[in-house]
Amino acid sequence: NAGVTQTPKFRILKIGQSMTLQCTQDMNHNYMYWYRQDPGMGLKLIYYSVGAGITDKGEVPNGYNVSRSTTEDFPLRLELAAPSQTSVYFCASSDDRGRGNSPLHFGNGTRLTVT
Amino acid sequence: GENVEQHPSTLSVQEGDSAVIKCTYSDSASNYFPWYKQELGKRPQLIIDIRSNVGEKKDQRIAVTLNKTAKHFSLHITETQPEDSAVYFCAARNDYKLSFGAGTTVTVRA
Repeated sequence: NAGVTQTPKFRILKIGQSMTLQCTQDMNHNYMYWYRQDPGMGLKLIYYSVGAGITDKGEVPNGYNVSRSTTEDFPLRLELAAPSQTSVYFCASSDDRGRGNSPLHFGNGTRLTVT
Repeated sequence: GENVEQHPSTLSVQEGDSAVIKCTYSDSASNYFPWYKQELGKRPQLIIDIRSNVGEKKDQRIAVTLNKTAKHFSLHITETQPEDSAVYFCAARNDYKLSFGAGTTVTVRA
């Protein structure tokens, strides 16, 4: 198992550009998450999904969109990138089976800089 | 939503001493409390977790305690070693959403 795979690892965007951060997991987990981590800070939840076709907003969803067409993939879309979106983005998944008390498995992150 | 507060923000300990990090949470419905360790430039890694029906859990030099009445939980690291130097995050989970504390930077002095 590769676990949770994120691409790209690094990206520099100009203000106003758009991009998609890719996330895929091969553990057949129902639950997937996107977090952002600003320097010296904790992780903030952007969006999450409890299964294919279902997504919901987290704490900081503005400026982002997600989709979940398959169990494996959970891409994060940035439209009109702004300097405030400079951060490290982590995708995660878990196998909750309805209990909400299973650990999250994180990808290696995508370091995004918007200039 | 859930609000998790973590203290202290930085902690420096002598090698061999103990380190304690404390967290409080706001939502009494939270039922799962993991701790993650993050080394510089790496992803968070789960080191220990505790569920709401358990008061204490231990794994070698690491232990976690949970007080549901007071809504706080703590991480204890004994006999600290240089490789314990990292940022530690507590988290609380409710309704499938995991909320993190701001992190504690632990430095173990040789």
